[in-house]
Amino acid sequence: TQLLEQSPQFLSIQEGENLTVYCNSSSVFSSLQWYRQEPGEGPVLLVTVVTGGEVKKLKRLTFQFGDARKDSSLHITAAQPGDTGLYLCAGVQAGNNRKLIWGLGTSLAVNP
Amino acid sequence: ETGVTQTPRHLVMGMTNKKSLKCEQHLGHNAMYWYKQSAKKPLELMFVYSLEERVENNSVPSRFSPECPNSSHLFLHLHTLQPEDSALYLCASSRHTRDRVPYEQYFGPGTRLTVT
Repeated sequence: TQLLEQSPQFLSIQEGENLTVYCNSSSVFSSLQWYRQEPGEGPVLLVTVVTGGEVKKLKRLTFQFGDARKDSSLHITAAQPGDTGLYLCAGVQAGNNRKLIWGLGTSLAVNP
Repeated sequence: ETGVTQTPRHLVMGMTNKKSLKCEQHLGHNAMYWYKQSAKKPLELMFVYSLEERVENNSVPSRFSPECPNSSHLFLHLHTLQPEDSALYLCASSRHTRDRVPYEQYFGPGTRLTVT
């Protein structure tokens, strides 16, 4: 059972375009992390969101945690070729379990 | 440079071979992890070590044997693997484990393993 759904699975855009990718679940998370993984490398942590409704900005990247802490989005403004990679979300299950649940990722290609 | 190194970066081994993957973290973290990353599957957590003690083993076959001699080093010993074990094996570390959320993961570059 896939507890964290990421969409779209694949996205190919031109440099300068804006995009949004989504991470959705029916489960509540106490926090959610976003990572970017480049080919041949391990995932690199971008941000952690903890509070429902929280918005965090990292240069051209804007992360939002849903009010109910079941979903999150990542918006990239004016995408650049250096943004190319696999974007993974991972949520810490709420409650005593606290297991880290991973999505399948969104593979983004930004063409010059 | 994330502070977590892995060797080798690529490994091809036969089904009867024995090999080991090595991971070292320079971040002063207390927890270390082995993950398996395969196409079309979410990251699969294999083992968790907290302060050198194995705290989690997620039903991993015995042909994978982890070792954590100290809080900075982690090994994954491999023997009699199957072709379906071919994958990217990622090592990660974190300041804490589940007892102290959100325990962000810091990953190494991975070892691309091919079993022939």
